[in-house]
Amino acid sequence: AQSVTQLDSQVPVFEEAPVELRCNYSSSVSVYLFWYVQYPNQGLQLLLKYLSGSTLVKGINGFEAEFNKSQTSFHLRKPSVHISDTAEYFCAVSDPSTGFQKLVFGTGTRLLVSP
Amino acid sequence: DAGITQSPRHKVTETGTPVTLRCHQTENHRYMYWYRQDPGHGLRLIHYSYGVKDTDKGEVSDGYSVSRSKTEDFLLTLESATSSQTSVYFCAISESIGVPGSNQPQHFGDGTRLSIL
Repeated sequence: AQSVTQLDSQVPVFEEAPVELRCNYSSSVSVYLFWYVQYPNQGLQLLLKYLSGSTLVKGINGFEAEFNKSQTSFHLRKPSVHISDTAEYFCAVSDPSTGFQKLVFGTGTRLLVSP
Repeated sequence: DAGITQSPRHKVTETGTPVTLRCHQTENHRYMYWYRQDPGHGLRLIHYSYGVKDTDKGEVSDGYSVSRSKTEDFLLTLESATSSQTSVYFCAISESIGVPGSNQPQHFGDGTRLSIL
């Protein structure tokens, strides 16, 4: 079974600093990868997705992620964070052979941006 | 926002009582999902549906049942609620891969916060 590891449960960072949130997945076969963001008391919102093609994926709100097949990683980055980026971020993986988006989620990383 | 409505948004109930949560979609998507979110566990799949009357178990299905009698509605039932089922429950929808324009990921509702005392 697939699994997703988010190595950091919490990442504190100052405003305008760069940030990287780490995600590793277990499957060695073809996968789809996603990052979702959850603001307090809300549902999950898609930040970006990797289905195929270019390994550098750009998403909303200035976030990007790089798919690295050899390291089975899909780390999320932003060059300069804002206070409003404070939220919880979830990495997720699905197996495209299932024909639909049956997602397995990581445990989440809480990003705390301070002035 | 994707047209997903979860009801109720909040519920407090007692151990041993039955509870039903509803997810309603207006997108006509084929797939619907129920997740629970708990600290330190992320989101875990409870059940999912791949069509009317077609459902299957997810990772944490014990103690839960589901029904889908119409495309737009997916119900999650706790037959006899226990305190370990206190959680935030999310519904999600998606379309099948291969359908034109369907390479879209799951869209989530705003969640139901369920407390079982």
